[in-house]
Amino acid sequence: GAVVSQHPSWVICKSGTSVKIECRSLDFQATTMFWYRQFPKQSLMLMATSNEGSKATYEQGVEKDKFLINHASLTLSTLTVTSAHPEDSSFYICSAPTLGTSGGIPGGEQFFGPGTRLTVL
Amino acid sequence: GQNIDQPTEMTATEGAIVQINCTYQTSGFNGLFWYQQHAGEAPTFLSYNVLDGLEEKGRFSSFLSRSKGYSYLLLKELQMKDSASYLCAVLDSNYQLIWGAGTKLIIKP
Repeated sequence: GAVVSQHPSWVICKSGTSVKIECRSLDFQATTMFWYRQFPKQSLMLMATSNEGSKATYEQGVEKDKFLINHASLTLSTLTVTSAHPEDSSFYICSAPTLGTSGGIPGGEQFFGPGTRLTVL
Repeated sequence: GQNIDQPTEMTATEGAIVQINCTYQTSGFNGLFWYQQHAGEAPTFLSYNVLDGLEEKGRFSSFLSRSKGYSYLLLKELQMKDSASYLCAVLDSNYQLIWGAGTKLIIKP
């Protein structure tokens, strides 16, 4: 199957600093990528949809000025957590669907990156 | 509103069979997914159902009843490595994935 990578795998930072997380589709092109956040023992929560060449679409309640998304190419999307605070500590996961349909799945099967564990002190 | 329900936690014995249920209420339906997620890792795809009935894939099977808004994931011949969270997700009318909170499956020897 397709491979999605994320970098870094984990990061620890001080409160007030900014952290950038990269999501790459390694062997396919992705015009759309999704960014999720997952708190312990909770489900995935969609934060935003990253669109190549245009602005990201944010879910209700997600601050677009705090979580900056850039989808500069068909294989790379970045999420920058600006002025991070302890409550931003979470597991951030990106996913990318394959183009067209794959196995009869509308929009294609989603492939997930391995996730980034962010801890803000 | 949109809602997906699945049990929080289940325990089963190695070698046995376990069924994880999922009920959903969503605006539209374009299919239901089951994903497996080990602690600290990203979800991995298990199955996709869009028509009623049972889909079998090795030790794992997934069932869907659209009229009842119900699905289950059946795991046979349980192995210790099957200990994980199992996430149910529905693709709604806007082709957005709506996720359940996941069922943590604990396998005991």
